[in-house]
Amino acid sequence: AQSVAQPEDQVNVAEGNPLTVKCTYSVSGNPYLFWYVQYPNRGLQFLLKYITGDNLVKGSYGFEAEFNKSQTSFHLKKPSALVSDSALYFCAAYTNAGKSTFGDGTTLTVKP
Amino acid sequence: GAVVSQHPSRVICKSGTSVKIECRSLDFQATTMFWYRQFPKQSLMLMATSNEGSKATYEQGVEKDKFLINHASLTLSTLTVTSAHPEDSSFYICSARELGRAGDRETQYFGPGTRLLVL
Repeated sequence: AQSVAQPEDQVNVAEGNPLTVKCTYSVSGNPYLFWYVQYPNRGLQFLLKYITGDNLVKGSYGFEAEFNKSQTSFHLKKPSALVSDSALYFCAAYTNAGKSTFGDGTTLTVKP
Repeated sequence: GAVVSQHPSRVICKSGTSVKIECRSLDFQATTMFWYRQFPKQSLMLMATSNEGSKATYEQGVEKDKFLINHASLTLSTLTVTSAHPEDSSFYICSARELGRAGDRETQYFGPGTRLLVL
């Protein structure tokens, strides 16, 4: 079975500090990996994706993610966090069944 | 581009009534649309996948007769919660995958969600 894990329910960082939101995956074949962000009472917004090519993927709002095949990870990162980055973040993998499998989400809180 | 809208954004209804939620892809054609349910501070639960012109594929445990899904065109899918009860209260989110966009077949674009409260 294919799965996506986000081991941390909550991540707290101070504004200006770097942030990392972790994601590991278990999928068959070549993975297509995504990060989405959800603000309160809103749908999910696409941040970035890895399909192929460079392991470091850059996305919206200064976020980036690094694909690590050996560790089966796709951690989301940002060099300097903003208070406005506080939201719920979802990692997802696109499967060959045509569906996306989502992690359980990580709540990021950036404190001023 | 790739905007998905949902209507209504919020609905309050009495127990026993039916509620219809619309999901539209505004600037692209969606081969596939997905309906999710999300409980507070929880992940998305995929309810069903719908392809234009064919019957929706429901996930295990989702009642087909309770949650009617119609995907009549490449830009519109509807979810009807029939005979709604308080336990159906939730945040419902649709998403769409774009037809034919090279290199972007896999990305899902999400609607803003519909908050349903059944009294």
